[in-house]
Amino acid sequence: DAGITQSPRHKVTETGTPVTLRCHQTENHRYMYWYRQDPGHGLRLIHYSYGVKDTDKGEVSDGYSVSRSKTEDFLLTLESATSSQTSVYFCAISGRAGNEQFFGPGTRLTVL
Amino acid sequence: EDKVVQSPLSLVVHEGDTVTLNCSYEVTNFRSLLWYKQEKKAPTFLFMLTSSGIEKKSGRLSSILDKKELFSILNITATQTGDSAVYLCAVGPIIQGAQKLVFGQGTRLTINP
Repeated sequence: DAGITQSPRHKVTETGTPVTLRCHQTENHRYMYWYRQDPGHGLRLIHYSYGVKDTDKGEVSDGYSVSRSKTEDFLLTLESATSSQTSVYFCAISGRAGNEQFFGPGTRLTVL
Repeated sequence: EDKVVQSPLSLVVHEGDTVTLNCSYEVTNFRSLLWYKQEKKAPTFLFMLTSSGIEKKSGRLSSILDKKELFSILNITATQTGDSAVYLCAVGPIIQGAQKLVFGQGTRLTINP
């Protein structure tokens, strides 16, 4: 299995609070991605990174920001969490341009 | 807008049956189509297809791509209860080397003993 960890694995928070999810990889892969998965919508891309400090928006980026200050870590921040951001969040990594993506174990976030 | 449609959305079969899962797509700047299996956890990678007509095979699973008709199929022969899962298909353009995948809704496959 690809060396990807996500933290925390579960989190319950209240509306309006900031939340940061961390994705950590030990594969030295260049490309990293954040997805959310919801019933009825499947997996949707939030943001992605194509190198240190190089990030861009995905399909559902509103309300989210990301940062990547070193190769191994990709952070997803919800500046002010809303109930619509209750979801399962997956991080994925890919080694070369266009190669398959490998997914982390996921973080289940509940916003009350 | 890039789009992926999978069918059927749900399928229930008996152990030992053969199943075919379908994925049709519309995408700008096609690079590859990917299949994933998802049980009650993260998706796990099955196949990546880039060329038409070349079958990829892994044990009882196989997949093929038709770039002219814009679809792919995933076949599972001699199904086992462990094949029960959601199967996801994804495509997406390459931007700055990163592949911005768009996923289908998935096919929920249930294998009854």
